[in-house]
Amino acid sequence: EPEVTQTPSHQVTQMGQEVILRCVPISNHLYFYWYRQILGQKVEFLVSFYNNEISEKSEIFDDQFSVERPDGSNFTLKIRSTKLEDSAMYFCASSPGLRTYEQYFGPGTRLTVT
Amino acid sequence: AQSVTQLGSHVSVSEGALVLLRCNYSSSVPPYLFWYVQYPNQGLQLLLKYTTGATLVKGINGFEAEFKKSETSFHLTKPSAHMSDAAEYFCAVSLGDMRFGAGTRLTVKP
Repeated sequence: EPEVTQTPSHQVTQMGQEVILRCVPISNHLYFYWYRQILGQKVEFLVSFYNNEISEKSEIFDDQFSVERPDGSNFTLKIRSTKLEDSAMYFCASSPGLRTYEQYFGPGTRLTVT
Repeated sequence: AQSVTQLGSHVSVSEGALVLLRCNYSSSVPPYLFWYVQYPNQGLQLLLKYTTGATLVKGINGFEAEFKKSETSFHLTKPSAHMSDAAEYFCAVSLGDMRFGAGTRLTVKP
């Protein structure tokens, strides 16, 4: 069964450093998402991406964040200058359509900023 | 704005007992509602969803949920809990992106 994959599973970085989190969505899906989950808290929407551009973003997704689909398979989330409060689990998701379609989630990347 | 509220951050049941996890939604348009499960150190897995049609929806692992418009609820149930059901459960409403509830941690006692 096709699945969303994410690398790395765990990333440790120093405050102020740039990180890139990578995702490979399910191949025939059209919509791509990033969510984050701070330890012990709810899953929060960051950004959605369709047709090679951002379709929606939350207030969390500020200028320090960017997303890209550099080729036909990868979908990346970049944090330019990490802060301690960026420490969280980051989930990538993809779906074949909007609203009525479930989103398929990857296993997540645990980002630890020291 | 559309949102979901999960009542009870932690639910504990005995193995074989009924599982009831509560979710209420707020929506000005017909909602599309989902339940996801998260096992330790894993991603989110879809249990079931309601979009249109039958208000009682069945999902994986013996779970089901009933959409009740009059009560703005979408509670998740399972007749008989199993130890393997211990996990975090999230209710969500789809706006395009998913808006999740705070989650309910289910503990199953032997």
